[in-house]
This record gives sequence, structure tokens and C-alpha cells, in this order.
Amino acid sequence: ILNVEQSPQSLHVQEGDSTNFTCSFPSSNFYALHWYRWETAKSPEALFVMTLNGDEKKKGRISATLNTKEGYSYLYIKGSQPEDSATYLCAFMDGGATNKLIFGTGTLLAVQP
Amino acid sequence: DGGITQSPKYLFRKEGQNVTLSCEQNLNHDAMYWYRQDPGQGLRLIYYSQIVNDFQKGDIAEGYSVSREKKESFPLTVTSAQKNPTAFYLCASNMGQAHQPQHFGDGTRLSIL
Repeated sequence: ILNVEQSPQSLHVQEGDSTNFTCSFPSSNFYALHWYRWETAKSPEALFVMTLNGDEKKKGRISATLNTKEGYSYLYIKGSQPEDSATYLCAFMDGGATNKLIFGTGTLLAVQP
Repeated sequence: DGGITQSPKYLFRKEGQNVTLSCEQNLNHDAMYWYRQDPGQGLRLIYYSQIVNDFQKGDIAEGYSVSREKKESFPLTVTSAQKNPTAFYLCASNMGQAHQPQHFGDGTRLSIL
């Protein structure tokens, strides 16, 4: 059974703090790693799709890195704002099932003004 | 605007009753997916369809059925065989290529009366 783990489960930070969280996934047969942001009462929104070891992607104040050899990805938020409050999901795609995403349970971020 | 529409937002089911959740997209996407969310768990794949008139079971297909008669539509029926149907259901779509992010609807919350 393929397992995707995210840590921490939840995080409370002050406005202006920078923060990061982790997604761990199986290091064998890697195909892709997706990051989504899910705000309360809205639909999940894609942030990044990462495919190559060493990939770094950036979208505004949010960036992500990927290490497929050791099986982890980091998501960074620089200068957190209250509007960054959301659950951040990562999802792993195995090379043997390239249309099935396996999701982690998410990291819930709360940014206090 | 292009997007994915799920209806209804809330649905109540009596014991022994089948119910159907609607998912429609106008993004011209080939692939569509149904996920289920339970507290403390990641999104789990129920069924997916890569093309009209074809679909595959995901990880938790028992007690569910789907159809894909039109590209735009992928309804999910929760049958009476699904013993624990209370959950939040999300529909998603993409062009079917593994490196593409999935676009999600707003979800349907199903409860048992």
C-alpha cells in the first residue's frame, strides 16, 4: 500500500512569518508529485506539479522543492498572509498507475493577523 | 466561465436508497475522477474515466457505480451496498495526461438520515 504523509498536521503562524511543511512519499517508481491548496468552502486549487528530482517551482510567495531519491517535497510560504490560510494537500503519482493520485491528509495552515 | 459543477451541495439518503451525485464540466477535459473524503484521511479515488464510455475502478469502488455517456458528465451513484456512505465527495477533471493538475468541483456532502 502506497502511503503519502504530510507534516505537520496543522500549523498556526503570525502574519509575516515564513513557514514550510513536508510531504513524504515512496521513493521508488516516482512519476509526479502534485501540490494543491484547499480553502474552506472552496474547491482544491492546483499549485504545482513536479516531476524531476531537484525541481523547484515558485508561484508568488509560495515555492516547492522535490527530492525523489529520498522521497520528500517541501512547500514554503514566505511572509504568510491571512489569505494563505488553507489546507495544503500533496498527492503522489506512481509510475505504474499514472492517472491515480494518492493524497496525503494535508497540512492545515492558519495565519493570524 | 469554465469549471466543474457538482450538485447538489448537500444530500441526504435514507437507508437502502440509491442516490446519484452530479458532476458536469465545461473545460473540454477528457478525464474525470470521483474522490471521497473522510475525517483524518486523504482524498481516496472511487472511480475514474479517461474517455467517454470507459471508466475504471479506483481504490474504494465497492458500493458505487458510474457512467460516462457524455464527455461533460460523470455522475456517481451511491448504492445501498455502500454501508458507510456518509462523506464528502469531490469530482475532478483534467486532459488525462499524468503531468497535468486536476481541477476540482466544490463537492457534495452526503449524509444518512
